[in-house]
Amino acid sequence: GNSVTQMEGPVTLSEEAFLTINCTYTATGYPSLFWYVQYPGEGLQLLLKATKADDKGSNKGFEATYRKETTSFHLEKGSVQVSDSAVYFCALSAPGNTPLVFGKGTRLSVIA
Amino acid sequence: DTAVSQTPKYLVTQMGNDKSIKCEQNLGHDTMYWYKQDSKKFLKIMFSYNNKELIINETVPNRFSPKSPDKAHLNLHINSLELGDSAVYFCASSQGPPWQQGNSPLHFGNGTRLTVT
Repeated sequence: GNSVTQMEGPVTLSEEAFLTINCTYTATGYPSLFWYVQYPGEGLQLLLKATKADDKGSNKGFEATYRKETTSFHLEKGSVQVSDSAVYFCALSAPGNTPLVFGKGTRLSVIA
Repeated sequence: DTAVSQTPKYLVTQMGNDKSIKCEQNLGHDTMYWYKQDSKKFLKIMFSYNNKELIINETVPNRFSPKSPDKAHLNLHINSLELGDSAVYFCASSQGPPWQQGNSPLHFGNGTRLTVT
């Protein structure tokens, strides 16, 4: 079946540190891949997406590249801020009549 | 303007009671959803409606009954509440059906925190 595995948190970083949150997937066909972010007390919101292999999604300084050969979609940011503290969810949308599949989420805490 | 709004934000109730959560979206989307998020932040889809028609009905106790009076509204009624129902419930919407997220990502409400005592 379709699944998403992302690194367990929590991840705690100092401001301006480099961030990587790993995400790998298993899917039939060629899925679209997403990162959603959930700030405290809010719903999830789309951070970035990539719909085909080698695409790079980017937004707010975050990037992720769709790597078909390693079935990965790792989230990176060069310099995190306190305001980036949130829970990050990797997700995939596979071909066929199946809904979006979410990973278990990774909590990021950035300290000043 | 809030795109997906759900009420109430907090709901505290006793076991055995019946409660409802309401959701409205003003995005003109065709598809709406209910998700349940547990204390470990794990997100699970419960239901999805497309143009008022139920298209996803995951393994959810039949104490949970969604209702979509029109495509802008999706309510969730829960009978005989149990302790294990305590969670945050999110409403979401998308333009296209659940399997076309590449072109129509989800828009979430801010959640309803349900506490059953």
